[in-house]
Amino acid sequence: DTGVSQNPRHKITKRGQNVTFRCDPISEHNRLYWYRQTLGQGPEFLTYFQNEAQLEKSRLLSDRFSAERPKGSFSTLEIQRTEQGDSAMYLCASSSQTGLGTGELFFGEGSRLTVL
Amino acid sequence: ELKVEQNPLFLSMQEGKNYTIYCNYSTTSDRLYWYRQDPGKSLESLFVLLSNGAVKQEGRLMASLDTKARLSTLHITAAVHDLSATYFCAVDNSGYALNFGKGTSLLVTP
Repeated sequence: DTGVSQNPRHKITKRGQNVTFRCDPISEHNRLYWYRQTLGQGPEFLTYFQNEAQLEKSRLLSDRFSAERPKGSFSTLEIQRTEQGDSAMYLCASSSQTGLGTGELFFGEGSRLTVL
Repeated sequence: ELKVEQNPLFLSMQEGKNYTIYCNYSTTSDRLYWYRQDPGKSLESLFVLLSNGAVKQEGRLMASLDTKARLSTLHITAAVHDLSATYFCAVDNSGYALNFGKGTSLLVTP
């Protein structure tokens, strides 16, 4: 297993277009997270899944954002009608939540979105 | 709402010197994490601190956790250029998500 994989790594789009990012977590991890990071800031939590269930969403996740994790494997994050304020790095992370789990998150390389 | 504050936010230090980065958080938690991020790259896990008094060391970096004071420190010993990066602390108080500080941007100069 090579770790958390995200694609595309970079996406440039025009305002109003829809974009979709994909994340493939570490295979044995049951939790998958989406974070957003803007320049000079720490990552901000957006949402997370345990297996295929989306259990929590941040208030940062407007109704233009939707995330799915069909069959508890890969996940997609779609942004509809993009705005310039959506420009950021979208980070995916996964973790293994078991009785002995440390809660440590393992991050992918991120998908950088630029909205023109 | 959990707040995580790091200081300093920017740090320029000479090679060979020692320094400490501080991470304060606002609500009870006994799980704290340190990550490193290089420019344009993702976050690399450095330390996982899971109890009061926990201390972890790796090379020139040492992290500690005082849950009573709600404080973690990342101590840098005899800094080298390769340590230049942004360091984040993150706190788990929800049982599912980590709350990150704004990061400390470290530059080690000759």
